[in-house]
Amino acid sequence: SQQGEEDPQALSIQEGENATMNCSYKTSINNLQWYRQNSGRGLVHLILIRSNEREKHSGRLRVTLDTSKKSSSLLITASRAADTASYFCATGMRGGGADGLTFGKGTHLIIQP
Amino acid sequence: SAVISQKPSRDICQRGTSLTIQCQVDSQVTMMFWYRQQPGQSLTLIATANQGSEATYESGFVIDKFPISRPNLTFSTLTVSNMSPEDSSIYLCSVAASGVQETQYFGPGTRLLVL
Repeated sequence: SQQGEEDPQALSIQEGENATMNCSYKTSINNLQWYRQNSGRGLVHLILIRSNEREKHSGRLRVTLDTSKKSSSLLITASRAADTASYFCATGMRGGGADGLTFGKGTHLIIQP
Repeated sequence: SAVISQKPSRDICQRGTSLTIQCQVDSQVTMMFWYRQQPGQSLTLIATANQGSEATYESGFVIDKFPISRPNLTFSTLTVSNMSPEDSSIYLCSVAASGVQETQYFGPGTRLLVL
């Protein structure tokens, strides 16, 4: 079953604006990851946040994690056309080390030039 | 980071036939995984490919339908057997990163259409 549920399912914004995507999950986690997929191709890892962290930054990306609400958000600031992609949150299936991932349904982000 | 290639990149197959997808990694890795992404959907883990032993399948996936080989630490194959149109999907392999092992690197995927 799907662990993560993203919202919105689709998001269209103007270039330069900020994009926020949310993810909820159901079970306890050790970490939560975000991946990007361009046009149905392979996924690219963006960022990992551990369960004892509340916020993490990487370039224009900001991820938050609220374990009490079992939710995470991904913020992309100053969006660019190249950010157009699908974004997925993912958690380890069994919570330890190298493990198969459970993915959320994803948010399809479109950046309008 | 690991560089992963998959063959074929895409294929169109007739129902009832089988297709073997290859996944090659440029370095030795312990953990390799196979995922399916049905049209417009998210990714679902099929199995973990174990070197030197049988693959570990997730609920809803069976060895007879998706046999997997892992002959060494850089290579794996996934076969989609006795295909039906419902098997039309993107199939992706991934490997656990050598540093932060929770992180995975993905191949470019194999886009399969079954007629």
